[in-house]
Amino acid sequence: SAVISQKPSRDICQRGTSLTIQCQVDSQVTMMFWYRQQPGQSLTLIATANQGSEATYESGFVIDKFPISRPNLTFSTLTVSNMSPEDSSIYLCSVGGGSGANVLTFGAGSRLTVL
Amino acid sequence: AQTVTQSQPEMSVQEAETVTLSCTYDTSENNYYLFWYKQPPSRQMILVIRQEAYKQQNATENRFSVNFQKAAKSFSLKISDSQLGDTAMYFCAFTGLSGNTGKLIFGQGTTLQVKP
Repeated sequence: SAVISQKPSRDICQRGTSLTIQCQVDSQVTMMFWYRQQPGQSLTLIATANQGSEATYESGFVIDKFPISRPNLTFSTLTVSNMSPEDSSIYLCSVGGGSGANVLTFGAGSRLTVL
Repeated sequence: AQTVTQSQPEMSVQEAETVTLSCTYDTSENNYYLFWYKQPPSRQMILVIRQEAYKQQNATENRFSVNFQKAAKSFSLKISDSQLGDTAMYFCAFTGLSGNTGKLIFGQGTTLQVKP
């Protein structure tokens, strides 16, 4: 299965600022997925990033708040814009093609704390 | 809407003993996949086991096995011979074969503590 590297691993941010999270995969993948895990909560899909087209956002998530780039088949970024304390979460990048059909492989996540 | 429910927020087990984590789900789809993922304190989500809905045989992976009851929409995880390294949060997850197959619906998670 793919190896995913995420940066930063963690960060502390000030309210009103924006932060970009990078996701690098060691193989070419068609779709990349961004999930959010709020403190003590489960994971929720934010959006699906396809190379060469705009990301597809899930209900409750909008492009202005979470712009995504997908410049090539191995890389994607997620920006969390105009952050508030409610954005404090772990953000995880994932790709398909793990050990079996429909298996997602996840990065280690980026833990953001907004003060 | 598809939902996944884990009714046990926390569980504990003695090392070497067996523990079962519960999961129920709701869907109108007939073909789908179910998963158990493990998230240790390192935050890395690790696939534990996967079950295809069209397979009646329960999946097994070494010490991990599932009890898949399709009619009851139940998907429990049994961990045998529990080890300290099994301490983690365990998530049950669902994905249908229609639509976005990268969209997993996760349960709320069960924190498992294996005690020495």
